Amino acid sequence: AQKITQTQPGMFVQEKEAVTLDCTYDTSDPSYGLFWYKQPSSGEMIFLIYQGSYDQQNATEGRYSLNFQKARKSANLVISASQLGDSAMYFCAMREGRNTGFQKLVFGTGTRLLVSP
Amino acid sequence: ETGVTQTPRHLVMGMTNKKSLKCEQHLGHNAMYWYKQSAKKPLELMFVYSLEERVENNSVPSRFSPECPNSSHLFLHLHTLQPEDSALYLCASSQDRGAYEQYFGPGTRLTVT
Repeated sequence: AQKITQTQPGMFVQEKEAVTLDCTYDTSDPSYGLFWYKQPSSGEMIFLIYQGSYDQQNATEGRYSLNFQKARKSANLVISASQLGDSAMYFCAMREGRNTGFQKLVFGTGTRLLVSP
Repeated sequence: ETGVTQTPRHLVMGMTNKKSLKCEQHLGHNAMYWYKQSAKKPLELMFVYSLEERVENNSVPSRFSPECPNSSHLFLHLHTLQPEDSALYLCASSQDRGAYEQYFGPGTRLTVT
């Protein structure tokens, strides 16, 4: 079974609007971390935001926020006030277990976001 | 140079060639990673080195051979590859403890002919 599921292969949004990218995960480990990365056409993966399984509040980083619903095992990324430069692939990833060493991440298949003027 | 760099950015090689991919991180991190990104597949972790010791090898074929001579450099030696090995190979680094995110390089686009 897939550990990370991103059901939206592509999403379209108009500039300045908000968009939500879906991510669901599967784990039986009570301790885990969830990540979102952005991959522009240039190839590098850019870290956006992190949510720990024990964090009480949803993570926020500037225009990015993570809608963490633990019971539903979902960790959706919300981008507010979309910009043209937000057009890219977005990947959700999970680390199982406590952060006691190197990070073994499992990635989803990604969502391609296109922001139009 | 800052962050994580990878060379070459593009590589075309025949199935009988031997080549190496290089990764260098300028962040003082202790862990380094090789990932393979194929079209329409999730990013796959290949190898992990922590403090220059290989700690993870995800059943990668022996035609891929990693080398980590020090905490700043990581190589992926390639020999007798197959066309299905064509992919984007990404290197990443992180602190071994206390940090959460990995920092990625721009990748090497490999084409095996």
